[in-house]
Formats: sequence, structure tokens, C-alpha cells
Amino acid sequence: DVKVTQSSRYLVKRTGEKVFLECVQDMDHENMFWYRQDPGLGLRLIYFSYDVKMKEKGDIPEGYSVSREKKERFSLILESASTNQTSMYLCASSLETSGTGELFFGEGSRLTVL
Amino acid sequence: GQQLNQSPQSMFIQEGEDVSMNCTSSSIFNTWLWYKQDPGEGPVLLIALYKAGELTSNGRLTAQFGITRKDSFLNISASIPSDVGIYFCAGTTGFQKLVFGTGTRLLVSP
Repeated sequence: DVKVTQSSRYLVKRTGEKVFLECVQDMDHENMFWYRQDPGLGLRLIYFSYDVKMKEKGDIPEGYSVSREKKERFSLILESASTNQTSMYLCASSLETSGTGELFFGEGSRLTVL
Repeated sequence: GQQLNQSPQSMFIQEGEDVSMNCTSSSIFNTWLWYKQDPGEGPVLLIALYKAGELTSNGRLTAQFGITRKDSFLNISASIPSDVGIYFCAGTTGFQKLVFGTGTRLLVSP
């Protein structure tokens, strides 16, 4: 069974803290993505990666950075968390050659910044 | 960044009723997809559409890729309680970068 695992389901952090959200996939997928989900706004792309050590900005990259040192792992970093980054964060992966647009999602990490 | 307009925003229906939701875009897409997110889970792909005018079914679900390539709809027939969740449309021009809709929250009363 295909699997995308996000390290934390729920996190509570304070304003200004550095936050790491980890994502691991076991499907040998080339592409990995980080989205944030907010009510009424759907899913918005933060960053994505087509290969190890490669990263591309999505639609809302401000305040975030990412790291992809290994093919199976894609980390989202909030350098200095702010209250407007309280959200549900979803990691996803896809096969480069599939051409189908099918993303496989993790269960999500709900982050609250106080 | 671009977002797709999805309607309705939410629906509360009785079990057994049919449901229809749609998605529109100002841009043309080559692929339309519909995802469902169960409570507490990540979205899962339901149906993918690859050709303008295409009508595809998956059990009680039917989806269509609009002729103009700027819209799509999803129908659910004879709804059941496990249909509860958030439904997202998504479009792509084929470069693995999906644009998602704002979501339709479906509640089904037994």
C-alpha cells in the first residue's frame, strides 16, 4: 500500500519558534509537495520538489522554506512561526512519469501558533 | 496564485439524495481531477478526466470535463452517510502542479 507519513498530527507552537514538519513517502516518487489547507480557501501550494536537493516555490512560499536531502523525505520549515501560519499542512507525492496528476497525500499536520 | 471556483461551498442533504457540485476556472486545463477528504485524513483521488467532453463514472460518482476545458462537475447518486467529507476539484496543465478548488463540504443525514 502506498504511504505518505507526516511526523506530527497536531502541534502547538509559540510565535517566533522554529517549526519543522517532516514528511516521508515509501513509493519512490520523484515529486513531493507541501500544501496548506484553510477553510474556504482550499489547498494552496507552498513549495514543491522534483528531485533531491531541488525545490520550487509554489503560490504562497513566504515565511516557509523546505529541505529535500533524500528522495523519500521532504521537510517544511517555518523559520519564525506566526499566528497567521496556524493551519492544516498536507504533504503529497506523485510519480514523475505518471502524467495523471494523481497526488498521494499524508494525513495532515494541524499546526496552532499561539 | 490561481484558485478554482468551486460551488456550492457546503451541502446538507438526506441519505438517498443525489448531489451535484461544480468547478470553474478562468484558465484552460488539460486534466481535471476530483478528490475527497474524509474527516481527519488527507485527500484521496476519486476520478481523473483527461479529455474535453469526457464523462467518467466510478460507482455512484460521475464526473465530466467541460467542453471549454474551463469547468468540470461531479455528481454523486443515492448518497450514503460515508459520502460525508470535503470534495475538491483540481486542474493541471500537465506539469504535475495541481491547482485546487476551494472545496465543497458535504454532510449527509441518515
